[in-house]
Amino acid sequence: QVQLVQSGAEVKKPGASVKVSCKASGYPFAPYWIHWVRQAPGQRLEWIGWINPSNGDTKFAQSFRGRVTMTRDTSISTAYMDLRSLRSDDAAVYYCARGKLLPIGGQIGGQTAPALDYWGQGTLVSVSS
Amino acid sequence: DIQLTQSPSFLSASVGDRVTITCRASQGVGNYLAWYQQEPGKAPKLLIYGASTLLSGVPSRFTGSGSGTDFTLTISSLQPEDSATYHCQQLNSYPRTFGQGTKLEIK
Repeated sequence: QVQLVQSGAEVKKPGASVKVSCKASGYPFAPYWIHWVRQAPGQRLEWIGWINPSNGDTKFAQSFRGRVTMTRDTSISTAYMDLRSLRSDDAAVYYCARGKLLPIGGQIGGQTAPALDYWGQGTLVSVSS
Repeated sequence: DIQLTQSPSFLSASVGDRVTITCRASQGVGNYLAWYQQEPGKAPKLLIYGASTLLSGVPSRFTGSGSGTDFTLTISSLQPEDSATYHCQQLNSYPRTFGQGTKLEIK
C-alpha cells in the first residue's frame, strides 16, 4: 500500500535550518511529484512547493523562495525539504503529499484532475530560542 | 494568489443531518478543486477531486459540486465519524492555496 513516512519532530533555534525527509513506499517513486504543505497552529494549510522526483525540478510558493530547497534520492525513494533561516512563525506541522492526476468521474483514459492523494503523517517543527 | 473562502468556519449538526460547506474562489479555478478531511492530530485525507469526483473508497454520502468560483461539499446523512475539519484546495494555479477550513462538530 502507498505510504509516505516522514522524519521525526525537530526543535530548532531562530536562524537555524531544518531538513525533513519523506520516504515513499508502495508505488514507483519517480513519476509522482512530492508536494510539501505546512500547517501552523490555528492557521490554514499552506502550500510550500513540489519536487519532481524523476528529474529534480522544483516549484515553490513565492513566500518561500530563497529559503527552501527540495531534493530527492531516488535510490531510496525519499524526498527532502530544507528550510533555512527559521523564524518563530515557521513553527508548524510539515507534511509531504503525493501529487497525482486522477481520472475525473473514475473514467480511465479520460480527463484528469490533480490532487494530493496520499499524505505523510506530518513532522512537527518547533522554533524557539 | 487565489484566495479560497470557506463557509461556515464552524458547523454543529446531528447524526443523520444533511450538511453543506461552501468554498468560494477569488478567481475561477475551473474544476481543479479538491476537498480534504482532517481529523485532529492527523494528516488530511483526500475525499473529492476535480470538484465532484469521489475518491475510491470514500462513502457515497459525500458529494462535491461546482465549477469556476463556487463549490460545495455536501454530506447527505451525517455520521459520528464525520467529525473533522474539511479543507478545500485549488490546483488550477500557483501557489496552490487552501481554504481556512470548516470544523464540523457532531452534536
